Amino acid sequence: AQSVTQPDIHITVSEGASLELRCNYSYGATPYLFWYVQSPGQGLQLLLKYFSGDTLVQGIKGFEAEFKRSQSSFNLRKPSVHWSDAAEYFCAVGEGGNTPLVFGKGTRLSVIA
Amino acid sequence: EAGVAQSPRYKIIEKRQSVAFWCNPISGHATLYWYQQILGQGPKLLIQFQNNGVVDDSQLPKDRFSAERLKGVDSTLKIQPAKLEDSAVYLCASSLGTGDGYTFGSGTRLTVV
Repeated sequence: AQSVTQPDIHITVSEGASLELRCNYSYGATPYLFWYVQSPGQGLQLLLKYFSGDTLVQGIKGFEAEFKRSQSSFNLRKPSVHWSDAAEYFCAVGEGGNTPLVFGKGTRLSVIA
Repeated sequence: EAGVAQSPRYKIIEKRQSVAFWCNPISGHATLYWYQQILGQGPKLLIQFQNNGVVDDSQLPKDRFSAERLKGVDSTLKIQPAKLEDSAVYLCASSLGTGDGYTFGSGTRLTVV
């Protein structure tokens, strides 16, 4: 069965600084990988996804993520964080088709001036 | 396109009472999911529908939770009787397939007192 680990529960960065959120997955074949963002009181919004092709994927709001099969990782990055990026970020893995996604426990991002 | 609609947004009930949540997915999305998100955790799948049939309900506490998706469109999730540990956000999502990611509704925040 798939599983997702997000090692960092809470990260604080200064506005304008770079950001990297870690995600490690467990799955035997090539996974479908996703990053979602959740603002307080809101549902989850899809930031980006990967299932084949270029291992560096671009998403919305200036985010990108890199799939590294050798490390079973799919880390999310942003070169310059804005205060509006403060939210909860979830990594998710799926098998493809209509199999349900399995989510990590999330990383809460705080942005300070 | 219209998003995934959920109602109510908030609900407070006493333990042992019953409650129902409603979800209207994006038009044309055959697959519908209900996830439970307990505070501080990632979403956990409760049930998956494909059209009006159940695909996966292995994690649904069937002694108290039930769900249906009549006519393959709207869905309702019911809890009867509620327990304190059912306090959570209940998220509905729909998709065309895993590769497309999910579109989530804003969720229903349930508090059981």
